Amino acid sequence: NAGVTQTPKFQVLKTGQSMTLQCAQDMNHNSMYWYRQDPGMGLRLIYYSASEGTTDKGEVPNGYNVSRLNKREFSLRLESAAPSQTSVYFCASRVETLMNTEAFFGQGTRLTVV
Amino acid sequence: GNSVTQMEGPVTLSEEAFLTINCTYTATGYPSLFWYVQYPGEGLQLLLKATKADDKGSNKGFEATYRKETTSFHLEKGSVQVSDSAVYFCALCPGNTPLVFGKGTRLSVIA
Repeated sequence: NAGVTQTPKFQVLKTGQSMTLQCAQDMNHNSMYWYRQDPGMGLRLIYYSASEGTTDKGEVPNGYNVSRLNKREFSLRLESAAPSQTSVYFCASRVETLMNTEAFFGQGTRLTVV
Repeated sequence: GNSVTQMEGPVTLSEEAFLTINCTYTATGYPSLFWYVQYPGEGLQLLLKATKADDKGSNKGFEATYRKETTSFHLEKGSVQVSDSAVYFCALCPGNTPLVFGKGTRLSVIA
């Protein structure tokens, strides 16, 4: 009963380093999302993918890229990390074609950029 | 556009007190509404939802009623416990698009 799995759980990067956050879901959901959570800001959408092969920008896409590798996996890449990207990152998935369905979240990745 | 406004926290209550966390929304059409809870160090979990006007969502003693006339979805619980300490997020889904979240309200319940 895995649901949405994110790796890693914690990461420290130096400014300018790159990394990829991994996300996989086993619920056969068509839509997947990346959010970041910052104090006082709530959850802000970075990118999302409504279906395999498509991706769209959210509210705060600058500095990030995504790949929808297949229906299960949706990765988030930071090409050149900046201290402003220190945050907790959440991946989520959902059946978006049904308006009344909720999103399921992973446990989060706590990223610190020094 | 679509947006959610919820009361700012933190909210601190004594055990067994009554809880209300206000949530109002702006949306086109008839969105679905959700409350999520985030316990320390964890991801968000769905607490309850309502998909049409006058629906009441309920779970674990929490309730919220979809009020279209006041565009509100306030979260209530009659008697909070220490274990309810968490961050609560109100969210809406306006259609075949990502959920839109409020900024969250931190609740602390003291024994």
